[in-house]
Amino acid sequence: DVKVTQSSRYLVKRTGEKVFLECVQDMDHENMFWYRQDPGLGLRLIYFSYDVKMKEKGDIPEGYSVSREKKERFSLILESASTNQTSMYLCATGGKDSKYTEAFFGQGTRLTVV
Amino acid sequence: RKEVEQDPGPFNVPEGATVAFNCTYSNSASQSFFWYRQDCRKEPKLLMSVYSSGNEDGRFTAQLNRASQYISLLIRDSKLSDSATYLCVVNGDNYGQNFVFGPGTRLSVLP
Repeated sequence: DVKVTQSSRYLVKRTGEKVFLECVQDMDHENMFWYRQDPGLGLRLIYFSYDVKMKEKGDIPEGYSVSREKKERFSLILESASTNQTSMYLCATGGKDSKYTEAFFGQGTRLTVV
Repeated sequence: RKEVEQDPGPFNVPEGATVAFNCTYSNSASQSFFWYRQDCRKEPKLLMSVYSSGNEDGRFTAQLNRASQYISLLIRDSKLSDSATYLCVVNGDNYGQNFVFGPGTRLSVLP
């Protein structure tokens, strides 16, 4: 069974803290994605990676960075958390030929920045 | 114009009703199309892929019209358990590297 696991379900952090959100998959998928989901705005792509050490900016990369040192792990980093980064963060994976295969999601991390 | 647009909703329907959701996409190079279902505070899960010829899975039927860049989802004989948000998802570019999500349409099936 497909498994995409995010390190935390709920997280509360203070403004200015450095925050790490981890995502691990056992699908052997090349492509991994980080989205955030906000009411009325839907899912928006932050960053994605199509190979180890490779990364591409999505639609809203400002304030975020990512790391992909191993194929199975994709980390999202908030360098200095701000209250407008309070959101639901979703990690997803897709096969190499993602044109024809669906995305698989982790359970999501609900981050609150206070 | 947004890349993927959906009926704004919400849809409130009685049990047993038939309900249809519409979705349009702007990138004519899109290669693959999906409907996802998302329950409150949960992650999206694949409901069905959408193929050019249209496809059916039990009470659910999906249609794709590439010429009009339009996707639909029909749910027959609605159940209470169908209540959720339905997301239209389009593979966003030629390289298959990105999934683009519609804003979702919320469905509430009422007893």
